Amino acid sequence: NAGVMQNPRHLVRRRGQEARLRCSPVKGHSHVYWYRQLPEEGLKFMVYLQKENIIDESGMPKERFSAEFPKEGPSILRIQQVVRGDSAAYFCASSPLSGAYNEQFFGPGTRLTVL
Amino acid sequence: QQPVQSPQAVILREGEDAVINCSSSKALYSVHWYRQKHGEAPVFLMILLKGGEQKGHEKISASFNEKKQQSSLYLTASQLSYSGTYFCGTLGGGGGADGLTFGKGTHLIIQP
Repeated sequence: NAGVMQNPRHLVRRRGQEARLRCSPVKGHSHVYWYRQLPEEGLKFMVYLQKENIIDESGMPKERFSAEFPKEGPSILRIQQVVRGDSAAYFCASSPLSGAYNEQFFGPGTRLTVL
Repeated sequence: QQPVQSPQAVILREGEDAVINCSSSKALYSVHWYRQKHGEAPVFLMILLKGGEQKGHEKISASFNEKKQQSSLYLTASQLSYSGTYFCGTLGGGGGADGLTFGKGTHLIIQP
């Protein structure tokens, strides 16, 4: 019974390049959340998606960041023209129902390093 | 707004007890507790949904005081495996519709 899968686990990009982070939720889960974690900091909510819909993106920077969760395939967090400040661990979580009142299952994270 | 956790760090000997607090300046609708080991994904411990609710899981339990807008996590007779960083996540504290707002974490080190 596979949990949340994220790939790649580590990603190195140079300033100005694009980063694509993938998240496959637990089978049957239709709610996906993306969080960012800086060293020694808690997880910061970025975006909440259900299949094909962005429900809440209030935590996502307005520029350069986008997310999608297509009908088929994984959820993608895309960061265009990366800057050093984007270096962080990005975690995806999924839930079968609203994650507000149910467990959110976290993936192992993608550690992005921007050179 | 980010919940405030205290203490920031705790060092215990195996078998000792610990209490981790989580407080918010805003009304809370639910409090989630997670543990994260270095380099790993956060692992769910429990959710508290109602004011006054208490839950337990083996020797780890938690309470939720809705009026005081705070929750506490209790670790009894700590084991080496309890080491890690504990995060509380709150709903209604400025996160997304279902997205949680997490505190900065409490580092727990258990020594043999």
